[in-house]
Amino acid sequence: QVHLVQSGAEVRKPGASVNVSCRSSGYTFTNYGISWVRQAPGGGLEWMAWINADKGDTNYAPKFQGRIKLSTDTSTSTAYMELRSLRSDDTAIYFCARGFRNTPLVNFDSWGQGTLVSVSS
Amino acid sequence: EIVLTQSPATLSLSPGERATLSCRASQSLGNYLAWYQQKPGQAPRLLFSEASSRATGVPARFTASGSETDFTLTISSLEPEDFAVYYCQQRRRWPVSFGPGTKVEI
Repeated sequence: QVHLVQSGAEVRKPGASVNVSCRSSGYTFTNYGISWVRQAPGGGLEWMAWINADKGDTNYAPKFQGRIKLSTDTSTSTAYMELRSLRSDDTAIYFCARGFRNTPLVNFDSWGQGTLVSVSS
Repeated sequence: EIVLTQSPATLSLSPGERATLSCRASQSLGNYLAWYQQKPGQAPRLLFSEASSRATGVPARFTASGSETDFTLTISSLEPEDFAVYYCQQRRRWPVSFGPGTKVEI
């Protein structure tokens, strides 16, 4: 059974950075990509970025380009998202999601439980 | 970027009633549209991919149809557990994008 387990909630001040992890199990990690999707309080879903879990190729939404960095550790089947220069409007739940194949143009068949990132002075 | 519009924003119905949700795309998607269900405090759950292909474990009361720019998700007879927010998502063109959601409430 596929499981994606994310790290716990984080609180940051504006201008700081945050790292969120997403540990996968139940499938061959390098056969699929991982995307990150966020959801502001009471809001909808916003796709942020994708990483090829095998080769490490990345694809970032223009809105986050320059502030976001994705990486993976294939030895632990874990994906990481770093978001820098945080602002108050980055307060959201951040989800990792597995794409059904290893490209950025996918649907998401498994999701992590979400990580709340709160940005406040 | 492809923009998805969902209607209505909120659908107020009772258990046993039929729900019809719409998703309209700003450009042709072919059949590259998916539907998700999200309950409060939970991650989204994939219901359908490729416009009408039901995901594993999705009850038969859920059906999806459509192509190009107009898509529909139908719940034939609402069960209490179906009250949630439903999102459509396109993967026809980068970046993938989601609609704003339809809330199905009692």
